[in-house]
Amino acid sequence: AQSVSQHNHHVILSEAASLELGCNYSYGGTVNLFWYVQYPGQHLQLLLKYFSGDPLVKGIKGFEAEFIKSKFSFNLRKPSVQWSDTAEYFCAGGSQGNLIFGKGTKLSVKP
Amino acid sequence: DGGITQSPKYLFRKEGQNVTLSCEQNLNHDAMYWYRQDPGQGLRLIYYSQIVNDFQKGDIAEGYSVSREKKESFPLTVTSAQKNPTAFYLCASSGTGESYTFGSGTRLTVV
Repeated sequence: AQSVSQHNHHVILSEAASLELGCNYSYGGTVNLFWYVQYPGQHLQLLLKYFSGDPLVKGIKGFEAEFIKSKFSFNLRKPSVQWSDTAEYFCAGGSQGNLIFGKGTKLSVKP
Repeated sequence: DGGITQSPKYLFRKEGQNVTLSCEQNLNHDAMYWYRQDPGQGLRLIYYSQIVNDFQKGDIAEGYSVSREKKESFPLTVTSAQKNPTAFYLCASSGTGESYTFGSGTRLTVV
């Protein structure tokens, strides 16, 4: 069965720490992968996406993700987090009409 | 500005009642989706529609119904058959080959 899994339920970091959130997918065929962010009280926003090409994808707000086909992974990274990055992050994968979301990772950044 | 409008933002329902959640988009997207978000469970797909007058069940369609009479509109009805309807409901839309755009959600509470 197709699935997207996120390793961490809740991550707590201090400002300026580096961030890496894990995401693994398990399905075949065309791989379309996304990271969405949901800030407190706001709607889901797209951070970045991978359809094909360069496996290192740059997104908004300094985030990036690397698609590693051999590991079925699409981890989200940021070199230095800020308090304003406190949010819930969702990895998603699949095709139109069949986008599967992970269960989300809450990130809390301490000032 | 183009976007997705969900209404109402908060909705209270008595047990045994049907309620309808509104979702309207002015992005000229063909595809629209309804997701349910519960804490720790991520987003789960209820229904989706890739074209007017056609829709498909998602992973948790039981107790829900939809219609797609217009391209812009994709209302979701939560029926009395839904055993645990209290949740946050998200509507999304997408164009061909594009990522999803989400609405701001409706929080439904059964009282």
